[in-house]
Amino acid sequence: GENVEQHPSTLSVQEGDSAVIKCTYSDSASNYFPWYKQELGKGPQLIIDIRSNVGEKKDQRIAVTLNKTAKHFSLHITETQPEDSAVYFCAASRGNQGGKLIFGQGTELSVKP
Amino acid sequence: EAGVAQSPRYKIIEKRQSVAFWCNPISGHATLYWYQQILGQGPKLLIQFQNNGVVDDSQLPKDRFSAERLKGVDSTLKIQPAKLEDSAVYLCASSPQPSTDTQYFGPGTRLTVL
Repeated sequence: GENVEQHPSTLSVQEGDSAVIKCTYSDSASNYFPWYKQELGKGPQLIIDIRSNVGEKKDQRIAVTLNKTAKHFSLHITETQPEDSAVYFCAASRGNQGGKLIFGQGTELSVKP
Repeated sequence: EAGVAQSPRYKIIEKRQSVAFWCNPISGHATLYWYQQILGQGPKLLIQFQNNGVVDDSQLPKDRFSAERLKGVDSTLKIQPAKLEDSAVYLCASSPQPSTDTQYFGPGTRLTVL
């Protein structure tokens, strides 16, 4: 069935360093790839998303890259800050064909001051 | 713009009891989703509504879970009877249009079944 694998499960970096989280998906019909940030006791918050017709997208310190041939996509956070500490989830869906979001297992990011 | 509202935020019940969760999506959003998030895992879709019709309930354990979305706005998710493995956070999300991908999540209801 549809599956999204996410790595690493935990990531610890020093403030100011970069963090990279990687995901692979199994459904070749997937064309929408959002990333969510979830803080303790809160619901997931969308931070960036990318569609299959784009290879890279950037929003300030956050960027996402997509390789459709290899079926993997990555989240890059530069100049990390303590407030970036949270659990990050990648997801994939068939987008406007009504496909549901299939989530990865999550990455717990810790940014040490 | 107000976000997705959910209540209660926390619920503790004993196994075999019943429980209900409520969700009010963002105003005007046609699509509503219920997800189950077990501790340490990503959310898993339980059911998707388009207005007041069900689009996908393939992963809803229908022998004990039920959901409805009356008048295409608010929604309730019910579990009867609850099992220990139902302990999880139940998240509600909504999106503006059927063809819109972006989903906005509520804060969730944390259910503990003893």
